[in-house]
Amino acid sequence: QVQLVQSGAEVRKPGSSVKVSCKASGGTFSIYAISWVRQAPGQGLEWVGGIMPMFGETNYARKFQGRVTMTTDESTTTAYMELSSLRSEDTALYYCARMCSSTNCSFHYGMDVWGQGTTVTVSS
Amino acid sequence: QSLLTQPPSASGTPGQRVTISCSGSSSNIGSNTVNWYQQLPGTAPKLLIYTNNQRPSGVPDRFSGSKSGTSASLAISGLLSEDEADYYCATWDASLNGHVFGTGTKVTVL
Repeated sequence: QVQLVQSGAEVRKPGSSVKVSCKASGGTFSIYAISWVRQAPGQGLEWVGGIMPMFGETNYARKFQGRVTMTTDESTTTAYMELSSLRSEDTALYYCARMCSSTNCSFHYGMDVWGQGTTVTVSS
Repeated sequence: QSLLTQPPSASGTPGQRVTISCSGSSSNIGSNTVNWYQQLPGTAPKLLIYTNNQRPSGVPDRFSGSKSGTSASLAISGLLSEDEADYYCATWDASLNGHVFGTGTKVTVL
């Protein structure tokens, strides 16, 4: 049973950075495609970007390019998302999700396993 | 502003059939497969339909998906109170070179 467990809630001041972790268990982490999706309070889902550990490939949504950095640590099967220059509009619930079919993983596949979400609050 | 448009709400009585539309363009739905997610209140989204019309293990066959041209649809038949949730379509957009979600549809069971 594949599980994604995220780090706890964070509170940051405008202009600072936050780094959220997503630890995977129960599968072959190196072949995964991991996406990060956020949901502002009362709003819909928004794709932030994704990373594929095996290829070191990242793909960031244009809106976040220059402010987001996604990395992985295969030794601990953990993915990270760092968002910088935070503003109040970045206050949201951030999810990590695996993008795999039964046999393969790719940014083009559905998000079949989700983390529990990490609340990031940006407030002065 | 999302590239995938869904109706903000849909409703039905128990046992009825509800259909949710997802309208896109040639750069997203028109050239890629569509996935659907169900988000129950206070929980993480759950993959409901993948590759246009496939159900993951454990998803009841009351849920079905279809795609035609630049639009897709999710149908819920035999509506149950537990189906009350937000539903999102999603796909890859070749122009953005990124994943896009629909605007979301809130389903209410009357």
